[in-house]
Amino acid sequence: NAGVTQTPKFRILKIGQSMTLQCAQDMNHNYMYWYRQDPGMGLKLIYYSVGAGITDKGEVPNGYNVSRSTTEDFPLRLELAAPSQTSVYFCASNTGTGAREQYFGPGTRLTVT
Amino acid sequence: DQQVKQNSPSLSVQEGRISILNCDYTNSMFDYFLWYKKYPAEGPTFLISISSIKDKNEDGRFTVFLNKSAKHLSLHIVPSQPGDSAVYFCAARMIYNQGGKLIFGQGTELSVKP
Repeated sequence: NAGVTQTPKFRILKIGQSMTLQCAQDMNHNYMYWYRQDPGMGLKLIYYSVGAGITDKGEVPNGYNVSRSTTEDFPLRLELAAPSQTSVYFCASNTGTGAREQYFGPGTRLTVT
Repeated sequence: DQQVKQNSPSLSVQEGRISILNCDYTNSMFDYFLWYKKYPAEGPTFLISISSIKDKNEDGRFTVFLNKSAKHLSLHIVPSQPGDSAVYFCAARMIYNQGGKLIFGQGTELSVKP
């Protein structure tokens, strides 16, 4: 199993541009999550999904959108990028109800200038 | 409102000695606490967890202690090894949490010196 994969690894965006961060998992996990980590800070939940077609907001959803059309994929869309969105983005997944640990991807480092 | 706090940004320990990483929480409605380890340029990896109904859980060199009255947990690593050098995050899961969401502390960077 590849586990949780994320693309791209790095990206530089100009202010106002848009992009999609890709996340895929091959563990047949129902739950998937997007976090961002700012320097010196913990991970903040952006959006999560408990299954295909079901998404919900986390702590910091503003400026982002998600969709979940399949169990495997959970892309994160940034519209009108702002410098405040400069961060490292992590995707995670777990089996679902009752599961405690989440499995994380390697992250995408995004810089908005 | 930081519900999970790690007040020490960094910790330096000699190889072979004990490392103690601390975490405080403010919400009594957490049912599980977890520790994650993160190396640079990698995603966090799960290390150990503890249920809120227990006060200790041990896995090899790693032991987590939970003091519910003080709303405090700690991770002990004995003996510490240079490969343990990483950022450690404490995380908590809310009871009856829809979606299994975790709340993370800010992290503590552990450096184990040979």
